[in-house]
This record gives sequence, structure tokens and C-alpha cells, in this order.
Amino acid sequence: DVKVTQSSRYLVKRTGEKVFLECVQDMDHENMFWYRQDPGLGLRLIYFSYDVKMKEKGDIPEGYSVSREKKERFSLILESASTNQTSMYLCASSLGDMGSYEQYFGPGTRLTVT
Amino acid sequence: DQQVKQNSPSLSVQEGRISILNCDYTNSMFDYFLWYKKYPAEGPTFLISISSIKDKNEDGRFTVFLNKSAKHLSLHIVPSQPGDSAVYFCAASPNTGFQKLVFGTGTRLLVSP
Repeated sequence: DVKVTQSSRYLVKRTGEKVFLECVQDMDHENMFWYRQDPGLGLRLIYFSYDVKMKEKGDIPEGYSVSREKKERFSLILESASTNQTSMYLCASSLGDMGSYEQYFGPGTRLTVT
Repeated sequence: DQQVKQNSPSLSVQEGRISILNCDYTNSMFDYFLWYKKYPAEGPTFLISISSIKDKNEDGRFTVFLNKSAKHLSLHIVPSQPGDSAVYFCAASPNTGFQKLVFGTGTRLLVSP
């Protein structure tokens, strides 16, 4: 079974802090994704990566950056946390082969910025 | 703009009856569609998918129907069980080569005994 793990289930940070959210997958997947989930808005793509050191902006990249130094690890960075970044953050990975669309998700990190 | 829409935020069904969850999309370039189920405090889990070359796909109690001309898909759960109570997201993939998914806003299904 694919396993996607996220470093924290719950996190509370102060406005202006730098925040790191870590995600690790154990299935040698090429693609990794970061989403945020907010009530009434569904899942929105922040960034994704299709290879080590490669990254692409998703639909809402403002205020975020990412890092993928190793294939299995994809980090989301909030350079200066703000209250409007309070949300559920979900990491996912997928195989990367053409025709393989299924994404496997981690349990999520609920981030509160005060 | 919301390219994938789930217009019903919630649905209540009795155990044993059919649950029908609907999803509409606007982008004709979408060529693959998926349904995910999400329980509270867990990540979404894949349920069932359908390619745009098909109009129906079945997996046990779950069937997905695709009407390309109407840009509409639906998920049927028969019979519904209390354990099916969760938020259901539909998702669509444009043919861009990166296997990105565009998600709907979700429908909360409650199946009562």
C-alpha cells in the first residue's frame, strides 16, 4: 500500500513565523502535490512537483514556496504565516506514468495561524 | 472560476437506499474523472474513476456515470450504508501530461440507519 505521511497532524503558529510542512511518500512516485482544503472551496492546488528539484505553481501559490530535494520528500514553506493561511493542508503523490491519475493523500495537517 | 462544481453541499439518505452524488464540469479538455471519499481528520481516499471514452464504470456498490455532452458525472451508491457517511469530492484531470487534478467543492453524505 502507498503510504504518504505528513510531519504534523496539528500545528499552531504565530503570524509572521516561517512554517515548514513536510511530506514523505514511500512508493517511489514521481509526482507530489500540496493542496489546502477550506470549507465550501474544496481542495485547491498550491504547488506540485513532477521530479526532484522541479516545481510548478498550482492555482493558489501566493505566500507559499516548496522544496523537493529528494524524490520521496516534498516540503511546503510558508515564508511569513498569515491568519488567512489557517487551513487543512494535504499532501498527495502519484505515479507519474501517462494515464495514471490516481493521487494518494496523506492524513493532512491542520494549521492554525494566530 | 470553478471548473468542477458540486452544487449540493449535503445529501441525506436512509440506509439501504440509493445515494446519487452529482458533479458538473465546464472544461471540455478534461479527459479523466475520479471520485474521492474523505472522513474527518483523514486524507481523501480514491473511490472510483472513469475515462472520457466510457460512459459507465462499476465497482461493487459504486457506479460512476459520465455524460460528456452534458458535462456531467454522477456517483451512485447502492445500497447505501452508514459507513458511507463522508464528504465526497469529484475531480477531473485535463490532458496536460502532469496528471493534475481539479477538485469540486465536495458533498457531505449522511446515511442514517
